[in-house]
Amino acid sequence: DAGVIQSPRHEVTEMGQEVTLRCKPISGHNSLFWYRQTMMRGLELLIYFNNNVPIDDSGMPEDRFSAKMPNASFSTLKIQPSEPRDSAVYFCASSLQVMNTEAFFGQGTRLTVV
Amino acid sequence: KNEVEQSPQNLTAQEEEFITINCSYSVGISALHWLQQHPGGGIVSLFMLSSGKKKHGRLIATINIQEKHSSLHITASHPRDSAVYICAVTNYGGSQGNLIFGKGTKLSVKP
Repeated sequence: DAGVIQSPRHEVTEMGQEVTLRCKPISGHNSLFWYRQTMMRGLELLIYFNNNVPIDDSGMPEDRFSAKMPNASFSTLKIQPSEPRDSAVYFCASSLQVMNTEAFFGQGTRLTVV
Repeated sequence: KNEVEQSPQNLTAQEEEFITINCSYSVGISALHWLQQHPGGGIVSLFMLSSGKKKHGRLIATINIQEKHSSLHITASHPRDSAVYICAVTNYGGSQGNLIFGKGTKLSVKP
């Protein structure tokens, strides 16, 4: 398996534009997580899915953020409209189960909003 | 106060030195994870443990549930070990799957 695949690796966009980040989890993994990493706050959970269903989105900072998982092999994180303070590295991770199983991380998407 | 505290924040060592990174947490946990983030940004899971000790190559992770403390040891350190090491816990009773992260320890091993 190629591991968790995220795209794009880098994204530079202008304030106000819509940004869509994509993630393909490891085949067979039932849980998918979106994290954000910034210098100030470190790694933070945004939302996670179990069996394609969003379980906890309490980490999503604002209504401008939305995430979907239409099937077991694909998830998106959308920011609309984007703001400079959204600049961060966004990681997707997947695991076999939600609890107490090793999480495998994608390479991350470095988002810069100017 | 952060729920997961790591020390030190930064660590510089000479090659072959024995290295210890500490992690303390204040919440009930069901598991503790050690992650490694290389300068390129990718994150790799090193260990997941809920009791005792685990060893993988030159890396050893221990956890003391009563003291709410874990350590990551690196024996015979090498420059390629240079990375940020992140401690994370799965909060028992909290939102399932919610990893709470420490701020990380930046390790630099000099040749």
